[in-house]
This record gives sequence, structure tokens and C-alpha cells, in this order.
Amino acid sequence: KAGVTQTPRYLIKTRGQQVTLSCSPISGHRSVSWYQQTPGQGLQFLFEYFSETQRNKGNFPGRFSGRQFSNSRSEMNVSTLELGDSALYLCASSLPGDQNIQYFGAGTRLSVL
Amino acid sequence: GNSVTQMEGPVTLSEEAFLTINCTYTATGYPSLFWYVQYPGEGLQLLLKATKADDKGSNKGFEATYRKETTSFHLEKGSVQVSDSAVYFCALSVRRGQNFVFGPGTRLSVLP
Repeated sequence: KAGVTQTPRYLIKTRGQQVTLSCSPISGHRSVSWYQQTPGQGLQFLFEYFSETQRNKGNFPGRFSGRQFSNSRSEMNVSTLELGDSALYLCASSLPGDQNIQYFGAGTRLSVL
Repeated sequence: GNSVTQMEGPVTLSEEAFLTINCTYTATGYPSLFWYVQYPGEGLQLLLKATKADDKGSNKGFEATYRKETTSFHLEKGSVQVSDSAVYFCALSVRRGQNFVFGPGTRLSVLP
């Protein structure tokens, strides 16, 4: 059974650009959550999607947005990139009946220059 | 609000030494508690979990007991191996699947 797949693994962007990251959850998982990981702030929750609806949102500015498709795949978009957006972005999926266990992808490392 | 505090490390041990990584939490409501591990270049993997007071989670020789009276969930292993070198995260979830809160992570290095 394939795990959570995130693409691309690495990205380099410049300030002011926008970026889209992709996450394919484990087959059968309908909940997808996104996290930002930085050395200074650790792991911070961005948002969670379930059945194409954003169910929960962390404390991030509106430049950070996401969506989920009918096949449960999810994308995260960051507009008007800032240097501080450089981070590892992690996606996690979970089963409908056991949402306390989150399965993580390897992440997308974004560098903003 | 909900928060998790853990020793930040780094922790450096010799192979076969005893490991303890402290974790304490504050939460509104009754949380589930977790330990995740992150190996270099990888995402987080669930190591163990406990969903109610006095539950003991265990996996791969690691153990942690949910102590409601001290709001703690300390991670222990009796004899660490070089392959245990990683970053360990304590986390909580108050509602099913909602708002996971992670601690800052503890980097463990095990020397041969």
C-alpha cells in the first residue's frame, strides 16, 4: 500500500512568487492535514480537509490556502511568498474511522530566495 | 490553549544506554497523546499513542504512560541503538483528528 506522496520534494522560489504543493493521501484516507515545519517554530498546523471541505484552520495568513479534490488529493497554495515561508511543508492523511492517527509524507522543502 | 512541552535536546547517548525524553502538556478537554519520530530526510512516523489515563503505549522497545495527574507522557527505552537516532515529537489531539499540537522535538543521537 503506497504511503502519503508529496510533490515536488524540493522547490526554490523568489519573493513575491506563488507556489502550489501537492499531496496524495493513502488510498481510502479522506482527511488531509497540512503542517509547516521550521527550526524556529517547530511544527505548526495549517489546515485540514475532509471530503473536499476545509474542516479546521490554523493561525496562518490568508496567503496560505488549500483545497481537496474528490479523489482526496489535496493542494496547498502560498501566494506572494516571503523569505519566512521557507520551510518543510508536511502533509498527513488519516482514515475516516481513526482520525487520531496521522500518516505523514516526506514533505516538500520550500526555499524562498 | 493546548500546548506540549518537551526537553529540546540534543540528547546524546551511548549505545545500550537508557533513554528518557520528558513531555508534559496542557489541554482543554481530554487529549489523546502521541509520540512521533522523524528520521533524516523523512516525514513523521507514529511511534506510539495512548488515548486515556494510565494507558501505556509501546512500540519497538519504546514505552510511554499517560499520566493525567502529572499531565505527562514521558518516552522511555531501556537500551537505545544507533538506529534510534532521530528527532522525537510529543503531540496531543483534543478532538478526533482535530488540531494536532506538537512539541518542539528532541533530537537524539546514539553513538556506537
